[in-house]
Amino acid sequence: DIQMTQSPSTLSASVGDRVTITCRASQSVSSWLAWYHQKPGKAPELLIYKASILKSGVPSRFSGNGSGTEFTLTISSLQPEDFATYYCQQYKGYSTFGQGTKLDIK
Amino acid sequence: QVQLQESGPGLVKPSETLSLTCAVSGYSISSGHYWGLIRQPPGKGLEWIGTIYHTGSTYYNPSLRSRVTISVDTSKNQFSLRLTSVTAADTAVYYCARHRTAYGDYNDAFDIWGQGTKVTVSS
Repeated sequence: DIQMTQSPSTLSASVGDRVTITCRASQSVSSWLAWYHQKPGKAPELLIYKASILKSGVPSRFSGNGSGTEFTLTISSLQPEDFATYYCQQYKGYSTFGQGTKLDIK
Repeated sequence: QVQLQESGPGLVKPSETLSLTCAVSGYSISSGHYWGLIRQPPGKGLEWIGTIYHTGSTYYNPSLRSRVTISVDTSKNQFSLRLTSVTAADTAVYYCARHRTAYGDYNDAFDIWGQGTKVTVSS
């Protein structure tokens, strides 16, 4: 199976900061990558699919980049509602997820 | 709007079978999309369990394939999970979710999720 590794595992930041989360695949997944965020006690929510396409309704401060084995999720200016755990998912083969990156308030 | 609602047992004894149902509202399963199940052990990440299409075609995580059956009931607009021989390692929140593309396949992102149902395996 394709292993997904996210870094960092935890990220502390402040409202207004620009932050980037990285996701690496153990083999190429082309652009078959999605990003989700999850708030405590809630289901994950899709933000980005096919590496860089924003789901309708997702704020433009979110952006995704990358292809092959290395991907990034960038939030250009953190808002209070963005503090959550973020997961990447590859779906070139059967789906596997990264271990998550917890974004908390500094 | 499209909604998914999981219903499960809450508590299952070790070695028994976990059964869970995902009811879909606001969209007919027969109209398209693939439908999946994902779980999340306490404090851990997400694991895809499997996916079904309305025709009954199924796709399973190889690590769970020997214990998993997913079925669909289009007349009730729902799909169901059976997981046999459960252990404490199967304790998790179980989510139902829709794969994003209407005419895609099971290799796809999940665009709509249910709220999840917590299942604990314990005697």
